[in-house]
Amino acid sequence: DAGITQSPRYKITETGRQVTLMCHQTWSHSYMFWYRQDLGHGLRLIYYSAAADITDKGEVPDGYVVSRSKTENFPLTLESATRSQTSVYFCASTAGLAGVGTQYFGPGTRLTVL
Amino acid sequence: SQQGEEDPQALSIQEGENATMNCSYKTSINNLQWYRQNSGRGLVHLILIRSNEREKHSGRLRVTLDTSKKSSSLLITASRAADTASYFCAPSSGNTPLVFGKGTRLSVIA
Repeated sequence: DAGITQSPRYKITETGRQVTLMCHQTWSHSYMFWYRQDLGHGLRLIYYSAAADITDKGEVPDGYVVSRSKTENFPLTLESATRSQTSVYFCASTAGLAGVGTQYFGPGTRLTVL
Repeated sequence: SQQGEEDPQALSIQEGENATMNCSYKTSINNLQWYRQNSGRGLVHLILIRSNEREKHSGRLRVTLDTSKKSSSLLITASRAADTASYFCAPSSGNTPLVFGKGTRLSVIA
């Protein structure tokens, strides 16, 4: 399917477990982003990537790890999940430079940490 | 990156009425984008206005930009129930990721 997809769409896990959220885009966009959305906070940037093997921290990176070995994939790992990481996670991508063009968002992953 | 601040936080109107929401930002920009988010879904890009533009239209959407006041407005004319969503502005100063605020929650009542 063309576009940007996220998996899983829903995930329930327990405190201390490792969780990986997947993001895949078919456009070969250079930039990819991870945001989390919580009530009262809007969307907050976790990490972003300008290209394969280039990643950078956003506003709230603590507790998260990212990698980007291929242009089309940008997985987000919670190494030891905490309840405060219960949130909806959105992946996005854009062609060209960050902040210049349209960002395309995935459908989101709703993560619950018990 | 800079964050825009949307106002009002929530807006409730009748179907057929116009909806206006505002965005303020703090430093000079290259462009400003507006996005819509339907409940439980990802954001969808609506319109981008560049710093040298004052007004832009797309269907029932009209966006204005006043760089001297560091503000933008989004007008949705003849609102429909399907316009019920949250709306976010994202000012951009250049090659930095977009930052989103808390948005304006629009409810259009049929």
